[in-house]
Amino acid sequence: KAGVTQTPRYLIKTRGQQVTLSCSPISGHRSVSWYQQTPGQGLQFLFEYFSETQRNKGNFPGRFSGRQFSNSRSEMNVSTLELGDSALYLCASSLGGTGTHAGELFFGEGSRLTVL
Amino acid sequence: AQKVTQAQTEISVVEKEDVTLDCVYETRDTTYYLFWYKQPPSGELVFLIRRNSFDEQNEISGRYSWNFQKSTSSFNFTITASQVVDSAVYFCALSEARGNKLVFGAGTILRVKS
Repeated sequence: KAGVTQTPRYLIKTRGQQVTLSCSPISGHRSVSWYQQTPGQGLQFLFEYFSETQRNKGNFPGRFSGRQFSNSRSEMNVSTLELGDSALYLCASSLGGTGTHAGELFFGEGSRLTVL
Repeated sequence: AQKVTQAQTEISVVEKEDVTLDCVYETRDTTYYLFWYKQPPSGELVFLIRRNSFDEQNEISGRYSWNFQKSTSSFNFTITASQVVDSAVYFCALSEARGNKLVFGAGTILRVKS
């Protein structure tokens, strides 16, 4: 069974640019969550999508957005990049979000973004 | 607001030693979930365990065991007879009853030396 796939794995951008990251969840998983990991702030929740609808949102500015497609694949976009957006962006998929599988996340290897 | 504290930034042990990773949490919810995740050097976070707030039974899985104490808001993780392959960053996390919005602790780096 294929795991969570994130592309690209590494990318370098300059301040002011925008970036789109992609995530393909495990087959059959309908929930996709995004997390930002930095040395200073640790792992922080960005947002979660379930059946193409944003179900939860973290405390990030509006420059961070996402969407989910009918095949459960998800993208996140960061506009007007700032130096502080340099981070590892992790995507996680899950069967659902309630009951037995709540919080049981399967993570991808991440997309490492460097902003210069 | 929910908060998870892992006071141990880094722990070093010699192989075969037992090691306990501490986790203390704060929440106003009466129903919540607690988790432990492992992040090996490869970077991919791996789910280890989930407990709900109504189940205080300790759990053992091979060399791993977890101690959940609601009275002290703690959810500690013990590795018995540690191995080099246990070297990783371990994260404790907390979530509401619904959804996959996890609040993670800062993580504990575990180094197991041979």
